[in-house]
Amino acid sequence: IAGITQAPTSQILAAGRRMTLRCTQDMRHNAMYWYRQDLGLGLRLIHYSNTAGTTGKGEVPDGYSVSRANTDDFPLTLASAVPSQTSVYFCASSERGNENYGYTFGSGTRLTVV
Amino acid sequence: GNSVTQMEGPVTLSEEAFLTINCTYTATGYPSLFWYVQYPGEGLQLLLKATKADDKGSNKGFEATYRKETTSFHLEKGSVQVSDSAVYFCALRRSDSWGKLQFGAGTQVVVTP
Repeated sequence: IAGITQAPTSQILAAGRRMTLRCTQDMRHNAMYWYRQDLGLGLRLIHYSNTAGTTGKGEVPDGYSVSRANTDDFPLTLASAVPSQTSVYFCASSERGNENYGYTFGSGTRLTVV
Repeated sequence: GNSVTQMEGPVTLSEEAFLTINCTYTATGYPSLFWYVQYPGEGLQLLLKATKADDKGSNKGFEATYRKETTSFHLEKGSVQVSDSAVYFCALRRSDSWGKLQFGAGTQVVVTP
């Protein structure tokens, strides 16, 4: 089934630990995004990538890094987790030039930093 | 800068009631506008969209009209069902933003039998 796979589904992480959230898509979309969802704040863009090999900062990039070595994968890394990074993280993708068809979202990763 | 403002929830309705969720936006130029829906435990799904003024997006009985004069994109459904219980997000994409969507805070809708 075409779409986006995120892993893990949920995770409890000790503060100070490093964590990588995985995101893989099989639609050959060239643009990918990471959002965090927090109650009352909606979704906020963390990082994005318009095409393989390029990345950019979104609205809330501090404490996060991404890479885009190929079209399909867009991992998000928390170098040293802090409790304020407790959130639900969504990966999404879209076809550049056809953004008005909307994004495809993954099912999310629920991360709790304690 | 760009912003999207939605009415706060939760909105609680009885089955077959009329639903309206207000959404207003601030943006330069001519953004595209979207409504996404998030069912419990799932990611967001595109519900409908409008790409220019006076366009009406519609899907699954939901409708929204792009009103540039009032910078609004209110979501409506004439007769809701329990299965419409979800969180609804209004979003915009500026024409020069390289595809990035900006979301409102979301409105939770609870439909009771």
